[in-house]
Amino acid sequence: ETGVTQSPTHLIKTRGQQVTLRCSSQSGHNTVSWYQQALGQGPQFIFQYYREEENGRGNFPPRFSGLQFPNYSSELNVNALELDDSALYLCASSPRTGGLDTQYFGPGTRLTVL
Amino acid sequence: QKEVEQDPGPLSVPEGAIVSLNCTYSNSAFQYFMWYRQYSRKGPELLMYTYSSGNKEDGRFTAQVDKSSKYISLFIRDSQPSDSATYLCAMIASTLGRLYFGRGTQLTVWP
Repeated sequence: ETGVTQSPTHLIKTRGQQVTLRCSSQSGHNTVSWYQQALGQGPQFIFQYYREEENGRGNFPPRFSGLQFPNYSSELNVNALELDDSALYLCASSPRTGGLDTQYFGPGTRLTVL
Repeated sequence: QKEVEQDPGPLSVPEGAIVSLNCTYSNSAFQYFMWYRQYSRKGPELLMYTYSSGNKEDGRFTAQVDKSSKYISLFIRDSQPSDSATYLCAMIASTLGRLYFGRGTQLTVWP
């Protein structure tokens, strides 16, 4: 079991609402990446944070935003929710200078938009 | 065209069978090739990764990369019911870059 935790486990929102998802990275990991995994699809990269700065962004609109805190935990915020935002949201943490086998995924937050 | 293509299956095999999972890709910049296993309601877990072309073996698992064909494979020998999961291939251009995932292949190994 990895040390990456996410909250909440699941939640239900309605179209147009806003949501905040949280990720606590593994101890010593200063880089957090967020991914969206729609049902039956592979994870899609949203963005990455390193030392509280956004460090790369995928093809997602500006209503997807994030934060990283001094303790390296992170938040993903989604405004003006759309039905297609229903997905499993995964965060992954890693040390900046670590190898590929040092990145760990959390269990995800399942978001349903009605 | 998606950067990474993977047949979603589902794939159903008897215990003890050899399983072959495959992905193709289009971006020549990819240098690292990974296989993740994802159980229901869990995050992906890295099984193994390979740098550039070649084979890598880890227990019952063997990963193959053919960069000339832009084709990667994962073989599972002596498959077990506990191997039942979704297998995701993923690729990355550098160790600091973003991961590009396939859509995953759902595997069921029945006793």
